[in-house]
Parts: sequence; structure tokens; C-alpha cells
Amino acid sequence: QSVLTQPPSASGPPGQRVSISCSGSSSNIGSNYVYWYQQIPGTAPKLLIYWNNQRPSGVPDRFSGSKSGTSASLAITGLRSDDEADYYCAAWDDSLSGLYVFGTGTKVTVL
Amino acid sequence: QVQLVQSGAEVKKPGASVKVSCKASGYTFTHYDINWVRQATGQGLEWMGWMNPDRGDTGYAPKFQGRVTMTRNTSISTAYMELSSLRYEDTAVYYCASVSFVEKRFDFWGQGTLVTVSS
Repeated sequence: QSVLTQPPSASGPPGQRVSISCSGSSSNIGSNYVYWYQQIPGTAPKLLIYWNNQRPSGVPDRFSGSKSGTSASLAITGLRSDDEADYYCAAWDDSLSGLYVFGTGTKVTVL
Repeated sequence: QVQLVQSGAEVKKPGASVKVSCKASGYTFTHYDINWVRQATGQGLEWMGWMNPDRGDTGYAPKFQGRVTMTRNTSISTAYMELSSLRYEDTAVYYCASVSFVEKRFDFWGQGTLVTVSS
């Protein structure tokens, strides 16, 4: 059902860099901001990135977001064990009178 | 501090309705939209709709149109999401989230409410 496509998994050893892609279309990522959420299993999602590349206060600068055309990406540098979680991209979609769409989700594993 | 506290777990039969509450504290309730998101076990996040607590305006995802109703009681800073004609596939954790008007950030989330549809 998700209209934003992410890789199902990503991994890396502690200290490394991991990047997660998010592919959408002209009606969502192509014309609206991208948001990123982190979800540790059993807990509510947490906002990591808003407006493509802005971090809410309290989110470390190891997390960064970018957007180009109809795709976006989240990068995590200096990977830590507590970064192990599911990550979701999201965007508002201009079709069907304003819909918020989430990505398929990416499980990040710290090796 | 900002908190969204949701009502407890529910078990419902197919065809029944469920109403989940979301009580806000630590901020002015009418200054943020309330959105609802659900997540089936082992699945991704699914957006259901939004409500403006000040005006009561709502917007629902097409998938839930006709089955979902989002309301609020501003006197007790509480939002409600009612889902009717429940099906087995509605079994999920339902989250409320406060969303800033301008940045549209899902800043704060409730703890989630498990709704189980079972005969």
C-alpha cells in the first residue's frame, strides 16, 4: 500500500556510514517536503528529519537528510548500536486531496 | 512536557466499532493538528487521517473514508478516533500524533493502542 519505496534492510559495523533511499513520485516527494522517522520495535515512531534536511532539537547531527527530484535519502554516520531500528520516510501527497504517505520502511542492523 | 496518552487495548468482534482516545497535555491542544497512524504487527506505518482540534475539520485517507470518524473534546484536550465495521485486518496498534501547522512535523506521539479484531 505504501507509495514510497525503501530498501527492506541496511547494515553496517559500528562507526560506519549507512544510507537509506526513499523513492516516490512527482505528487509526493517531487512536490513536497520529506520527513524521516525512527522506530525502535515496540515503541512509537520518533521524528528524525523534517523539511528534507532539518533536525528537530535533540536529534544528533549524525543523522542527515537530502532530497533530489522524486527521491530522498537518510544518512547515518558514526553508526551506533542504539541506531538499530526501523526507519521510515514520509511525505504529503498532492493527489486525492492531501494524503500523508509513509515509505515501506528499512530495518537498520548494526553488525 | 508534552504528552499524548492513549486509551487501553481493545478486543472487538468483526463488524463492531472501536473508539480510541488520545489525551494531550503540556501544550495548547488547539494549536496542533492530531493525526492518526496505525501499524499492523510486523508491518509498516499507515496514515489514517487528520483533525484540526480548533475547528474540528478533518481529512481522511481514501482507504478509511466512510469507516473512520475523528472528533475531539477541547474542554478535556482529548481527541478520538472511531473505526467502524471492523475487519480482522484492522488488528493493529493505533497511534495519535500531534502535528505542527506550519512544518507539518509529527512531533509527538501517543504510546499506541492495540486493537484486536477477533471472533
